[in-house]
Amino acid sequence: GAGVSQSPSNKVTEKGKDVELRCDPISGHTALYWYRQSLGQGLEFLIYFQGNSAPDKSGLPSDRFSAERTGGSVSTLTIQRTQQEDSAVYLCASSLSQGAETQYFGPGTRLLVL
Amino acid sequence: SQQGEEDPQALSIQEGENATMNCSYKTSINNLQWYRQNSGRGLVHLILIRSNEREKHSGRLRVTLDTSKKSSSLLITASRAADTASYFCATSAGNTPLVFGKGTRLSVIA
Repeated sequence: GAGVSQSPSNKVTEKGKDVELRCDPISGHTALYWYRQSLGQGLEFLIYFQGNSAPDKSGLPSDRFSAERTGGSVSTLTIQRTQQEDSAVYLCASSLSQGAETQYFGPGTRLLVL
Repeated sequence: SQQGEEDPQALSIQEGENATMNCSYKTSINNLQWYRQNSGRGLVHLILIRSNEREKHSGRLRVTLDTSKKSSSLLITASRAADTASYFCATSAGNTPLVFGKGTRLSVIA
């Protein structure tokens, strides 16, 4: 595609529900990254994929968070039993490879947990 | 931690003035990048400076890097209202994901 796309743009959910956030990277980009940004804050690294594997899961805040990537393309970030503190903008980025110098960001998914 | 930290946290200037933002980091890096974010959405890559470079220009942007002080600065000359955004530095140490700072919120008043 022309750029990184994410869906949904906005998600409002009730505490305790599960949510799935989707990221569609730029075609041909092997590396994919998930970040979380709370209001007015910087980017918090969550996880990255090189191909379908995730060498570094250390940024996931708790075991309620998981992510997968299939076919080396689309990735899904799942948050189980959402809590109010999970409210944030979830940003996805991709790059040609993990060592590539520039990351291309999607528009983000704004999650609000009531 | 490798994390970069921007300074100031917020900056407000008049249109036409220059804006300078600083970034400090803690460990050795391969390169340092600056990104821009409008309205809390996706980031856009602005410029990259490698560890063996000291200064780089791109249009109205000028970036400097001082590896001895582990710091970088981003200068936007002749600012415009459209430059209003948050600016983040991000450091790369090779085969690890970029580490972003908390950003500087720039407001350019027309």
